[in-house]
Amino acid sequence: DTGVSQDPRHKITKRGQNVTFRCDPISEHNRLYWYRQTLGQGPEFLTYFQNEAQLEKSRLLSDRFSAERPKGSFSTLEIQRTEQGDSAMYLCASSLRPDSYEQYFGPGTRLTVT
Amino acid sequence: AQKVTQAQTEISVVEKEDVTLDCVYETRDTTYYLFWYKQPPSGELVFLIRRNSFDEQNEISGRYSWNFQKSTSSFNFTITASQVVDSAVYFCALSEAYAGGTSYGKLTFGQGTILTVHP
Repeated sequence: DTGVSQDPRHKITKRGQNVTFRCDPISEHNRLYWYRQTLGQGPEFLTYFQNEAQLEKSRLLSDRFSAERPKGSFSTLEIQRTEQGDSAMYLCASSLRPDSYEQYFGPGTRLTVT
Repeated sequence: AQKVTQAQTEISVVEKEDVTLDCVYETRDTTYYLFWYKQPPSGELVFLIRRNSFDEQNEISGRYSWNFQKSTSSFNFTITASQVVDSAVYFCALSEAYAGGTSYGKLTFGQGTILTVHP
């Protein structure tokens, strides 16, 4: 059983460009979460999917952010018109409902906006 | 709103010393879960333990032990006989229990404690 994978691992982009990240959860995990972690801080929740339905979004998720999970498998997180403040590690996690509350995290995508 | 506080920003110990990482939480929920995660230099968060708010039994797993005290809203983590490989950032986290559609298990993390174990 492979773990959560994320692609790319690192992304450097210029301010104003759009970026898209991908997360492949552990197979059969129908819960998927996105978090953002800035330097020296703990991860902060961004959004949650149960299968293909996006059921919760944080206030941190501005209009420039959009996430999808087509067919309830992999998920993508897109940031439009990136800003320097978007520089962070973007983490994806998955868990198996309803009996398991542990979330298993991927290695993250580190975004640097120049 | 939920909140997790890890007052110790950094801890430095010498190998074989015991070390305790503090975690204090706030929640209005009566049912919740507490977690500890480890983030080594590679960056990937590694799940260590989950505790149910109804279970205050202390738990020991090898060199790791956890002390959950509901009365003081604390969930402290002790590493006995620390090793260099224990060097990492440790996060305490809290989530609401799944409540039939009103809670989705999102984690609220503390700021993390950087543990450095010197040889």
